[in-house]
Amino acid sequence: EVQLLESGGGLVQPGESLRLSCAASGFTFNNYAMTWVRQAPGKGLEWVSGITGIGGGTYYPDSVKGRFTISRDNSRNTLFLQMNSLRAEDTAVYFCAREKMGLRSPGVFDIWGQGTRVTVSS
Amino acid sequence: DIQMTQSPSSVSASVGDRLTITCRASQGISNWLAWYQQTPGKPPKLLIYDASNLEGGVPSRFSGSGSGTDFTLTISSLQPEDFATYFCQHSNSFPLSFGGGTKVEIK
Repeated sequence: EVQLLESGGGLVQPGESLRLSCAASGFTFNNYAMTWVRQAPGKGLEWVSGITGIGGGTYYPDSVKGRFTISRDNSRNTLFLQMNSLRAEDTAVYFCAREKMGLRSPGVFDIWGQGTRVTVSS
Repeated sequence: DIQMTQSPSSVSASVGDRLTITCRASQGISNWLAWYQQTPGKPPKLLIYDASNLEGGVPSRFSGSGSGTDFTLTISSLQPEDFATYFCQHSNSFPLSFGGGTKVEIK
């Protein structure tokens, strides 16, 4: 079964850091670009970052550029999101998702994890 | 950056109704548009990609159309399991972005 499982969320104070993980199974992980998408409580979806299959290309919106870093370990079938200098507005459920077209740059997402909750509050 | 605007933001409808949701991009995105469905507490589910291609396993009552800046998602006959929130998303260029969502409620 194709599956993504996020972990690493929790409660942190503003300015602190957190590292999210997404464990992939059931498919050849290094053949797919991956992405992170977040959803603040009661709000819509916001794309947070993307990475190509071999990790050579990474992409971010301005809202997290310079604070968040996406990476992957293809030997461990795991995607990461390092989040530094966290702010209250980063509070959200963070989903990892798989690019439908494989090695194409991340753009359409056919497999999603259940999400991990991040709360930034003092 | 490309902004995606959905309308309506919410709608009340009945089982069996035909429903159309609109998504407008702030600039042309060719056919680089996807539609997702989300129910409370669940991750989004891909319905349509490249504006009009039905994802595998998605019922044929869902259809998508449009190109350039204007797109629509149509549900030909609403079923009880279709009451959810729908999001459009462009993949024309980075940064990717989603529409604000359309919540479909039972009348």
